[in-house]
Amino acid sequence: SQKIEQNSEALNIQEGKTATLTCNYTNYSPAYLQWYRQDPGRGPVFLLLIRENEKEKRKERLKVTFDTTLKQSLFHITASQPADSATYLCALAVDSNYQLIWGAGTKLIIKP
Amino acid sequence: EPEVTQTPSHQVTQMGQEVILRCVPISNHLYFYWYRQILGQKVEFLVSFYNNEISEKSEIFDDQFSVERPDGSNFTLKIRSTKLEDSAMYFCASSFQGSGGDTQYFGPGTRLTVL
Repeated sequence: SQKIEQNSEALNIQEGKTATLTCNYTNYSPAYLQWYRQDPGRGPVFLLLIRENEKEKRKERLKVTFDTTLKQSLFHITASQPADSATYLCALAVDSNYQLIWGAGTKLIIKP
Repeated sequence: EPEVTQTPSHQVTQMGQEVILRCVPISNHLYFYWYRQILGQKVEFLVSFYNNEISEKSEIFDDQFSVERPDGSNFTLKIRSTKLEDSAMYFCASSFQGSGGDTQYFGPGTRLTVL
């Protein structure tokens, strides 16, 4: 069956370090992979989108990689700050399909 | 910056009652979505809507659910006879293009509590 896995345990990182979050998937061939941030009681906020033919995407302190062989995406936040503390969600879309399939998210805690 | 708005922010209803959740998508967007998130669980797709009709719907979106775009700005989700398990946050989202290749902009959500 199709599955998206993100670390269910919270990730604790010291301020200033790089945080790396993982999104693994099985039995999918996604054309697109997206990362969102969600704060408690709020809707997801789009961060980055990467296509299947792209290996890496950057936006300011954020970097996403997409390895279709390993079926994995890594999401990096460099120079992390306490304000980066949130739950980060990955979502996949199969080509010609409107539906985004969501991972359960990883809670990131940046300690001062 | 344009944003998706949702009303009400919190809706409390009795089991078996009908509820209508309202959304105003971003004005030049063409694709509209409803998601739900049960407390502590993952975001779940309910339905997508384009050109005044449903594009896709999930197994969750059964006959108790319906969507409508009654005018040029509002997008509504109706639950005909609410059940306890319908208690969740409901998020509306919109995008300019369809498919997962475009950014989806989410509203702040409506917390639905069914008693």
